[in-house]
Amino acid sequence: NAGVTQTPKFRILKIGQSMTLQCTQDMNHNYMYWYRQDPGMGLKLIYYSVGAGITDKGEVPNGYNVSRSTTEDFPLRLELAAPSQTSVYFCASGRDSYNEQFFGPGTRLTVL
Amino acid sequence: DQQVKQNSPSLSVQEGRISILNCDYTNSMFDYFLWYKKYPAEGPTFLISISSIKDKNEDGRFTVFLNKSAKHLSLHIVPSQPGDSAVYFCAAIDERGSQGNLIFGKGTKLSVKP
Repeated sequence: NAGVTQTPKFRILKIGQSMTLQCTQDMNHNYMYWYRQDPGMGLKLIYYSVGAGITDKGEVPNGYNVSRSTTEDFPLRLELAAPSQTSVYFCASGRDSYNEQFFGPGTRLTVL
Repeated sequence: DQQVKQNSPSLSVQEGRISILNCDYTNSMFDYFLWYKKYPAEGPTFLISISSIKDKNEDGRFTVFLNKSAKHLSLHIVPSQPGDSAVYFCAAIDERGSQGNLIFGKGTKLSVKP
């Protein structure tokens, strides 16, 4: 049982490039989330999903897109990378909306 | 405007003593609170939670207290151990409208000295 896995661990992008951050969970959780953490700050919600085919915006969705075609996978897409997207990105999953979320190890992204 | 505030960026405690981490919130609709622990280069891990219908929840060395009238909660760690050194995040859920979205504080870095 691997829990929540994220790839890659690190990535450096140039301004304007695009990339997909991968997230997979093997706990059969319906709820999945993407957060970003900037230095000295708490985590902020980018997008979330309550099940396959259902996604919605969080607090800071601009510049990102998501999809949820399966229960297990919840990729996050950056289309035109900007320096403001330099951050650590965490994916999380949960059994339902009222219990703890399980987090992946994070992806550290730098946009230069 | 921050809805969940952890006003102490850092805390240093001697091994064996009590660690008290504080958290304040402004949204009276929050009805579930969680504490997460985070080591460097790892994701946050769940530590303990409390529902708004309770004022205390205990799990081993960890106890969370909730004072709804003051919109304040605290995490007590007794006795503190060097392995407890980490960043601790307070988080809250407004269940009625948020699909379980966690609202995080900025975190408090706890250092437990041997």
